[in-house]
Amino acid sequence: GAVVSQHPSWVICKSGTSVKIECRSLDFQATTMFWYRQFPKQSLMLMATSNEGSKATYEQGVEKDKFLINHASLTLSTLTVTSAHPEDSSFYICSARGGADTQYFGPGTRLTVL
Amino acid sequence: QKEVEQDPGPLSVPEGAIVSLNCTYSNSAFQYFMWYRQYSRKGPELLMYTYSSGNKEDGRFTAQVDKSSKYISLFIRDSQPSDSATYLCAMSGVQGAQKLVFGQGTRLTINP
Repeated sequence: GAVVSQHPSWVICKSGTSVKIECRSLDFQATTMFWYRQFPKQSLMLMATSNEGSKATYEQGVEKDKFLINHASLTLSTLTVTSAHPEDSSFYICSARGGADTQYFGPGTRLTVL
Repeated sequence: QKEVEQDPGPLSVPEGAIVSLNCTYSNSAFQYFMWYRQYSRKGPELLMYTYSSGNKEDGRFTAQVDKSSKYISLFIRDSQPSDSATYLCAMSGVQGAQKLVFGQGTRLTINP
């Protein structure tokens, strides 16, 4: 149980294009999902908290117009990186809250912007 | 000072050894403590979840929480090469809190 999937697992795009990443909770409903960013050999940095049916809450320093988050259902949240640039290249990981304060993580999406 | 401090390692031990991984924290409001294992280029996998102080055992893994010292540990017994990964501690405050605060992660290698 408590499986979270992400799609795609990796993506390469040209600078200036937009990329959408999907996060799904496969066997449970998640009213809250989280989006993290992870640089090589570093820990996870929380970008935003996504609540089903409402606007996402962004962490300080994260541009909400650049990283668009939509949580349209209890099992799906999407992160769209708009007008991507090379500095946006990173490993993006989502998680879904599963009871109390545990979070179950997806396998991550590696984004490379050329 | 970071809210959660974790020695990044790397830590290298022989197969079969007992491994001790630790985190310290400064926020006394933390009550929920977790250990995650992350293999290279993969998402973190929840290993252990503990509420408040005490010990919890699951197979070869034991998690300890000492809130008075603001110190948590993860012990791995009979370590295996497949345990080689980065181990992240994480914690959060009262139930219902949204955010997990992560340690930096410790890179562990178990040598056959």
